[in-house]
Amino acid sequence: GQNIDQPTEMTATEGAIVQINCTYQTSGFNGLFWYQQHAGEAPTFLSYNVLDGLEEKGRFSSFLSRSKGYSYLLLKELQMKDSASYLCAGVDSNYQLIWGAGTKLIIKP
Amino acid sequence: IAGITQAPTSQILAAGRRMTLRCTQDMRHNAMYWYRQDLGLGLRLIHYSNTAGTTGKGEVPDGYSVSRANTDDFPLTLASAVPSQTSVYFCASSDSSLNTGELFFGEGSRLTVL
Repeated sequence: GQNIDQPTEMTATEGAIVQINCTYQTSGFNGLFWYQQHAGEAPTFLSYNVLDGLEEKGRFSSFLSRSKGYSYLLLKELQMKDSASYLCAGVDSNYQLIWGAGTKLIIKP
Repeated sequence: IAGITQAPTSQILAAGRRMTLRCTQDMRHNAMYWYRQDLGLGLRLIHYSNTAGTTGKGEVPDGYSVSRANTDDFPLTLASAVPSQTSVYFCASSDSSLNTGELFFGEGSRLTVL
């Protein structure tokens, strides 16, 4: 079956760096998304990786290794507003989105 | 402001009642989607539409129906609500029907079926 695995919850300190991992098992692969979702709000797009490597976008970076079925989201200089859930989603060979359950990130001062 | 709008924001519904969740987008996106989000689970696709006039079933379509009469509107109907349909429902749109483009989500509709 197809599956996306990510940790349920993580805690980090304001100003620090945190890495949220995501492993995927999909039939084929056509890219991987990261979305941010604040409590009670809609998900918003962060990144889309289809090729191996690191893509940086301000304080957020996303990494993909297709050979390992692995991605991570790196958040630098953490701010309290980064407290949210981070959703990983893979695109399979039929261009269907497979969603992980999300990682709740708690930022402490 | 361009975007995607859902209504109602929140609703409490008696089991057995019919309910339609409305979704409208003004970005002229071809693809639209309905998801439900439940605690501890990932977003689950209910129905989708790749273009006006066409619809398809997602992962959890039972008990739900949709229509896509035009590009902008994509209503979701629960013909006879059951408690297991208590959830937060998100409508989304994209300019890519291949799920390789950014999804734009509405603010969600929180539905409670008693």
